[in-house]
Amino acid sequence: EPEVTQTPSHQVTQMGQEVILRCVPISNHLYFYWYRQILGQKVEFLVSFYNNEISEKSEIFDDQFSVERPDGSNFTLKIRSTKLEDSAMYFCASKEGRGTSLPPYNEQFFGPGTRLTVL
Amino acid sequence: GQQLNQSPQSMFIQEGEDVSMNCTSSSIFNTWLWYKQDPGEGPVLLIALYKAGELTSNGRLTAQFGITRKDSFLNISASIPSDVGIYFCAGQGDSWGKLQFGAGTQVVVTP
Repeated sequence: EPEVTQTPSHQVTQMGQEVILRCVPISNHLYFYWYRQILGQKVEFLVSFYNNEISEKSEIFDDQFSVERPDGSNFTLKIRSTKLEDSAMYFCASKEGRGTSLPPYNEQFFGPGTRLTVL
Repeated sequence: GQQLNQSPQSMFIQEGEDVSMNCTSSSIFNTWLWYKQDPGEGPVLLIALYKAGELTSNGRLTAQFGITRKDSFLNISASIPSDVGIYFCAGQGDSWGKLQFGAGTQVVVTP
């Protein structure tokens, strides 16, 4: 069964360093997302990406964050200068299509996550 | 912004009992999704709901999309030990797909 994959599973970095989190969405999916989950809290939306551009972003997704789809399979999240409060699980998700009443096109599937620890 | 409340926060039940949890929103959603998350892993999709009033089952799981489009519930019947985990509701209110998650319901099943 197709699944979303993410690498690395765990990333430890020093404050101020740049990190790139990688995701491979499900191959026929067109919409891609990044979410984060701070330990013990709920999952929070960061950004959505469609047709090679950001379609929506949250207040969390400031100038320190960027996303890219460098080729036909990878989807990356870059944090330019990490802060302590960026420590969290980061989840990539994808869905097939846009229809509001056409299952299963609105179903988002999540990857296993990357645990980012900023020291 | 939209407020999404999920309750209860946690449930401690005996194996074989039924579990019920719900989510309510301050605004309407066009899709409700229910996920289960095990420690250190990503959310796994359980059920997706697309129409107001829709009742959908997946094995021992049953979920409903509220008539007002502002609420949804999830029932787990005849719980078993592997049902342990955190269950999240998530609502989608726009076509780009941003999901808003509830705070989760932690389910603990004792033998």
